[in-house]
Amino acid sequence: AQSVTQLGSHVSVSEGALVLLRCNYSSSVPPYLFWYVQYPNQGLQLLLKYTTGATLVKGINGFEAEFKKSETSFHLTKPSAHMSDAAEYFCALGYGGSQGNLIFGKGTKLSVKP
Amino acid sequence: DSGVTQTPKHLITATGQRVTLRCSPRSGDLSVYWYQQSLDQGLQFLIQYYNGEERAKGNILERFSAQQFPDLHSELNLSSLELGDSALYFCASSVTPFGYTFGSGTRLTVV
Repeated sequence: AQSVTQLGSHVSVSEGALVLLRCNYSSSVPPYLFWYVQYPNQGLQLLLKYTTGATLVKGINGFEAEFKKSETSFHLTKPSAHMSDAAEYFCALGYGGSQGNLIFGKGTKLSVKP
Repeated sequence: DSGVTQTPKHLITATGQRVTLRCSPRSGDLSVYWYQQSLDQGLQFLIQYYNGEERAKGNILERFSAQQFPDLHSELNLSSLELGDSALYFCASSVTPFGYTFGSGTRLTVV
């Protein structure tokens, strides 16, 4: 069965520090993986996605994620946190082929301290 | 503005009532997806339509139904509402699989 687990419902970092948000997945087929960001009172915005090919994926706003098949992980990182990065982040697993459906993790709320 | 329009933004209604949420997809997008976001369940896929036809069903209750019209806008109908139906309801549209654009959601409060 397909599933997504995000470790840590709340992560707090200082401005300028490394951001690391963890995501592990379970999939019986090669996965499509996504990270979305949700700012308060807004919809979800795609940060980056992995489908096939290069395992290190670069996204918007300086974020990147690495697909590690052996660890079934797709952790999101950013070298230096900015106050504007404070938001909720969701990891998602694509399934259903051409239907294009997503299973979301529970989300990780990122706080950035000045 | 993502290009996906959801109305209304907020809705407060009483238990037992019926409401309709509306979604206008991005121009050219044939697929519409509905998701429910609640504190306890997180983001749950409800249903997908493609060019007017139901394509996939997720954890959608029998009290809920949806349709997509010829102009591609979609409506999600929620009936016999319960307190537990209070949530954010998102619509997303896409032209390619997984190429989602999300609307800003409708916040439903059932009192």
